Amino acid sequence: ETGVTQTPRHLVMGMTNKKSLKCEQHLGHNAMYWYKQSAKKPLELMFVYSLEERVENNSVPSRFSPECPNSSHLFLHLHTLQPEDSALYLCASSQGVGTTQPQHFGDGTRLSIL
Amino acid sequence: GEDVEQSLFLSVREGDSSVINCTYTDSSSTYLYWYKQEPGAGLQLLTYIFSNMDMKQDQRLTVLLNKKDKHLSLRIADTQTGDSAIYFCAERSMDSNYQLIWGAGTKLIIKP
Repeated sequence: ETGVTQTPRHLVMGMTNKKSLKCEQHLGHNAMYWYKQSAKKPLELMFVYSLEERVENNSVPSRFSPECPNSSHLFLHLHTLQPEDSALYLCASSQGVGTTQPQHFGDGTRLSIL
Repeated sequence: GEDVEQSLFLSVREGDSSVINCTYTDSSSTYLYWYKQEPGAGLQLLTYIFSNMDMKQDQRLTVLLNKKDKHLSLRIADTQTGDSAIYFCAERSMDSNYQLIWGAGTKLIIKP
């Protein structure tokens, strides 16, 4: 198994749909992250979970709802998204937050909102 | 606020050295990172350097840190077509436990 796996790789949805993005890490890490990557913009940190507790929520609209049932899995539930939400959503994990240990990323989910 | 800046593009000939530059504003930076993103993929950690170091070398990669000028560079020796990617610089600040401050990425273009 690769380190951080994200599914699906591509998702097209209408603005009224509800869908979920999934992330799974096989590295034994205890912190997980969701990022949004838009063209020609720096990565935007959305959510941080440490030991399954949310420790950061960077003013993300409520139409994005994260869930971390255990230290290996992270979900991002999506509903009534807007066209500007089309982007690459990246999941990452690390051993601890606020440590020197680097973050390891999945390959992302390319999300397109019709 | 804190900021990390990179040029958007760099074009080099195959076999030459590539030097990707990054400047940052936070003087309390602790660690600085270089990530590589190939098309359709996520970010792959290449290397990182602690702020009390000046240089770090790992095979074809050399990282140089000039703390006085807040300038970080990544040198790739003998650039190959497989090095085509977007390279991101990121810093971790003492003031922020969770967040890395990211540059917008430099797209490395390899000419034959």
